[in-house]
Amino acid sequence: AQSVAQPEDQVNVAEGNPLTVKCTYSVSGNPYLFWYVQYPNRGLQFLLKYITGDNLVKGSYGFEAEFNKSQTSFHLKKPSALVSDSALYFCAVRDIRDSSYKLIFGSGTRLLVRP
Amino acid sequence: DGGITQSPKYLFRKEGQNVTLSCEQNLNHDAMYWYRQDPGQGLRLIYYSQIVNDFQKGDIAEGYSVSREKKESFPLTVTSAQKNPTAFYLCASSLNPREITYEQYFGPGTRLTVT
Repeated sequence: AQSVAQPEDQVNVAEGNPLTVKCTYSVSGNPYLFWYVQYPNRGLQFLLKYITGDNLVKGSYGFEAEFNKSQTSFHLKKPSALVSDSALYFCAVRDIRDSSYKLIFGSGTRLLVRP
Repeated sequence: DGGITQSPKYLFRKEGQNVTLSCEQNLNHDAMYWYRQDPGQGLRLIYYSQIVNDFQKGDIAEGYSVSREKKESFPLTVTSAQKNPTAFYLCASSLNPREITYEQYFGPGTRLTVT
């Protein structure tokens, strides 16, 4: 069965420091991986995706993510955090073999960037 | 939140009443989705529709119903059979679901409170 794990409920980082939000996945076939961000009482906004090709994917607002097939991970990173990055982050996966085209979401990681 | 609108933003109902949540998109997307979000549980798929007049149950469809009479509209009815309906409901859409690399775009959500 497909699954996504975000092992940290919350990540705390000081403004200006690098940040990492962790995500690991489990699928039977090749994965398509996505990161979304959610601000309070809002819908999810797409940040970036990995489909194929370069393992380092760049997305919106200076975020990037690295696909690691051997570790089945897709960690979200940013070199220098901003207070405005504070939000809830979701990792999601689709299995290329799944004909239902469902997107499986992790439980979310709350990022808190302190000034 | 792109071209997806959800209304109302907040909804209050008495237990035992059915309630319908609206979702409209002007992105000309083929597929539409309904998710439920509860604290600490991420997003769970309720129903999805890949084309007009067709829809499939997601992981937690019990107590919910949908219709897809028009491409741009995908209303969700929360029935009295849903035992714990209080939650944040998110609607999403995407291009041709067979092109599973396409990301989903989310509406701003409806927070339903049932007392």
